[in-house]
Amino acid sequence: DGGITQSPKYLFRKEGQNVTLSCEQNLNHDAMYWYRQDPGQGLRLIYYSQIVNDFQKGDIAEGYSVSREKKESFPLTVTSAQKNPTAFYLCASSLIWGKGEQYFGPGTRLTVT
Amino acid sequence: AQTVTQSQPEMSVQEAETVTLSCTYDTSESDYYLFWYKQPPSRQMILVIRQEAYKQQNATENRFSVNFQKAAKSFSLKISDSQLGDAAMYFCAYSPTQGGSEKLVFGKGTKLTVNP
Repeated sequence: DGGITQSPKYLFRKEGQNVTLSCEQNLNHDAMYWYRQDPGQGLRLIYYSQIVNDFQKGDIAEGYSVSREKKESFPLTVTSAQKNPTAFYLCASSLIWGKGEQYFGPGTRLTVT
Repeated sequence: AQTVTQSQPEMSVQEAETVTLSCTYDTSESDYYLFWYKQPPSRQMILVIRQEAYKQQNATENRFSVNFQKAAKSFSLKISDSQLGDAAMYFCAYSPTQGGSEKLVFGKGTKLTVNP
């Protein structure tokens, strides 16, 4: 089955540690995205990538980093510089020349204490 | 900058009844896409329906339909014959259509409760 996988579903880290969230897709989509969701908020874009080895900052990129070495993979690193890292993180993908819709993974709940 | 506003933080509906969720947006573009996404308690985001701005006909997917008013920049979602499984957060989203991938701009969501 084609889809987007994110692992793990729940992640716990101590403050001051970097942590990497995994996102893999087998939909052959060109573009991939990372969003953050906080209670009472919509989704806010962290980073996105339209092509391998290229990515762009979204609205809230500070304290995060990404890489896009393979078309299928778009890992997100939450660094110790991110002041409020506890949140729900969603990965999505889309076709470059599609009709705008993005397909989402199941998300990762990150808790930093 | 484009913005999406959902003015109803919470809505409730009786099972089998009809409910309408509101969404307004702001853009200077003439062509774009609009979406409704559903996020059930599992938190998986699911695409419910898509509308292309150049199409005047309102999109329909089974029990879900939209009322797209381009001049008013309004995009409401109507759920007919509501079912318990429709209970979820619903997000309205906007995307430009210049080609190439663009970010989605989301509203803050409406929590829908379905009462048996």
